[in-house]
Amino acid sequence: KQEVTQIPAALSVPEGENLVLNCSFTDSAIYNLQWFRQDPGKGLTSLLLIQSSQREQTSGRLNASLDKSSGRSTLYIAASQPGDSATYLCAGQGGKLIFGQGTELSVKP
Amino acid sequence: SAVISQKPSRDICQRGTSLTIQCQVDSQVTMMFWYRQQPGQSLTLIATANQGSEATYESGFVIDKFPISRPNLTFSTLTVSNMSPEDSSIYLCSVEVHNSYEQYFGPGTRLTVT
Repeated sequence: KQEVTQIPAALSVPEGENLVLNCSFTDSAIYNLQWFRQDPGKGLTSLLLIQSSQREQTSGRLNASLDKSSGRSTLYIAASQPGDSATYLCAGQGGKLIFGQGTELSVKP
Repeated sequence: SAVISQKPSRDICQRGTSLTIQCQVDSQVTMMFWYRQQPGQSLTLIATANQGSEATYESGFVIDKFPISRPNLTFSTLTVSNMSPEDSSIYLCSVEVHNSYEQYFGPGTRLTVT
């Protein structure tokens, strides 16, 4: 069974800190990894997609890496801001998207 | 990318009734999907909506409970039939832009069954 796990489940940091969110997956058949942001009661916003041939992707203050050999991906957020507060979901793509449970991030002013 | 709209954005329904949720995309896409997000949970794929043929359902989801239509490459509907309080969830439509592998999601429909 394909599983995607995210650690930690919740994270609270002061504004300005750099932080790392972790995602691990058990199935080597997962070939792409996509990170999303979800604000309370809202849909998902795609942040970054890392394809199997890539090791990382960057967008602004966000950097996501993928290590298929270890079954891990990380999302790095630089200089966090209160507006970054949301739930961050990773999803492994192996024919269909398999979602992790998410990390709820709170950035305190 | 793709811009996706869903109707209704939220609804409160009586048990035993049915609700049809609409998903509209601003461009033609090959792959459309329906997900469910139960309270406090992550997303679970219900089915892949196939244009011109029957939807492909995931384990635990059946056509009689969640009939899906996909009449063209920009539109799909999901019906939640004979609803019970356990169906209270957010239902989300998503699309995969052609050959990009990246999925985009609609804003979701928040359903409460009383």
